[in-house]
Amino acid sequence: EPEVTQTPSHQVTQMGQEVILRCVPISNHLYFYWYRQILGQKVEFLVSFYNNEISEKSEIFDDQFSVERPDGSNFTLKIRSTKLEDSAMYFCATGELGEQYFGPGTRLTVT
Amino acid sequence: DQQVKQNSPSLSVQEGRISILNCDYTNSMFDYFLWYKKYPAEGPTFLISISSIKDKNEDGRFTVFLNKSAKHLSLHIVPSQPGDSAVYFCAASAGLVGSARQLTFGSGTQLTVLP
Repeated sequence: EPEVTQTPSHQVTQMGQEVILRCVPISNHLYFYWYRQILGQKVEFLVSFYNNEISEKSEIFDDQFSVERPDGSNFTLKIRSTKLEDSAMYFCATGELGEQYFGPGTRLTVT
Repeated sequence: DQQVKQNSPSLSVQEGRISILNCDYTNSMFDYFLWYKKYPAEGPTFLISISSIKDKNEDGRFTVFLNKSAKHLSLHIVPSQPGDSAVYFCAASAGLVGSARQLTFGSGTQLTVLP
């Protein structure tokens, strides 16, 4: 059964450093999303991406964040200058219509 | 901002019995609802969904009921199995057909199925 994959599974970085989180979507899906879950909190929407552009973004998704699909397969989330409060699980999700299928997540720890 | 609420943080049921997980929403623009199951250190796994034009959707042991007038949905698991023990999230979305739709999640309910 096709699944969404994410790398790395765990990333430790120092405050102020750039990180890139990678996702390989399910191949025939057209919609791509990033969510995050801070420990003990709800899963929160960050951004949606369709037809090679951002469809919608939340207040969390400020100028420090960017997404792209550089090679038509990978879908990446970049955080330019990480802050302590960016520490969270980051989930990629992909879908065709209503359903969204999530990857296993990347645990980002900012020290 | 609590547009999707799961008021029960935990639920315990005996193996073989019915598990009923509840979810309430406040945003009347939501028209698509989903349930996810999540194990620790894993991503949410899609279980079942329902469109607002329906009031019930069934898939094997899982049934979702939607009461639009009460802005309430529930997930029934029958019969419950120990492997069903996990955190269950309700999620909702709104938007144009064919558009990318952000999901708004509830806080989750930890289901424990006792053998």
